[in-house]
Amino acid sequence: EILLTQSPSSVSPSVGDRVTITCRASLGISSWLAWYQQKPGKAPKLLIFAASTLHSGVPSRFSGSGSGTEFILTINSLQPEDSATYYCQQAHSFPVTFGPGTKVNVK
Amino acid sequence: QLQVQESGPGLVKPSETLSLTCTVSGDSITSTSYYWGWIRQPPGKGPEFVGSISYRGSTYYHPSLNNRVTISVDTSKNQLSLTLSSVTAADTAIYYCARLSALTTVLYYFNFWGQGTLVTVSS
Repeated sequence: EILLTQSPSSVSPSVGDRVTITCRASLGISSWLAWYQQKPGKAPKLLIFAASTLHSGVPSRFSGSGSGTEFILTINSLQPEDSATYYCQQAHSFPVTFGPGTKVNVK
Repeated sequence: QLQVQESGPGLVKPSETLSLTCTVSGDSITSTSYYWGWIRQPPGKGPEFVGSISYRGSTYYHPSLNNRVTISVDTSKNQLSLTLSSVTAADTAIYYCARLSALTTVLYYFNFWGQGTLVTVSS
């Protein structure tokens, strides 16, 4: 089973800042990685798949990069509504697995 | 507009069977475009894949749950269901029903999630 780790575990940027979240895989997973946003009490929403492809309807301030074992989610021009926990998920090996999450609290 | 709604008991006793239903509207669970599945999220933790079902009715389960879990569909009601037997406190989680973009039969992205339902295992 592929283990995903995320850093930082939490961050508190200000409105308008840029934040980067790193996801590392225990084995190389090519570009088979997705990012999800989960707001408190809500279901996760798909943001990015295939490491860098924006899901339909996702604002362009979200972007993803990386391949192999290291991936980055970047959120530019942070908005208050971006406060959420962000999870990465690998789709390279069965069973698919998720990271532990990074909590973003926009001040 | 796609809507996915989970339902079922919120409290299950240890050693008993958890049973949940997912009602889908705005899409057909027999569509060849997607798979459907269940994910769970223990309190304060990341999500965990439980299992999936293809449009052909083939099922795929997390190896750690393989002998306790069953996913099935009722095409007449556009519903899928989850049963998990011999539950313990470790099965306490929010259970989500989701639509899957399948890369292969066992590799997916989860492109739409229901609101989820909390299931607590306790006597």
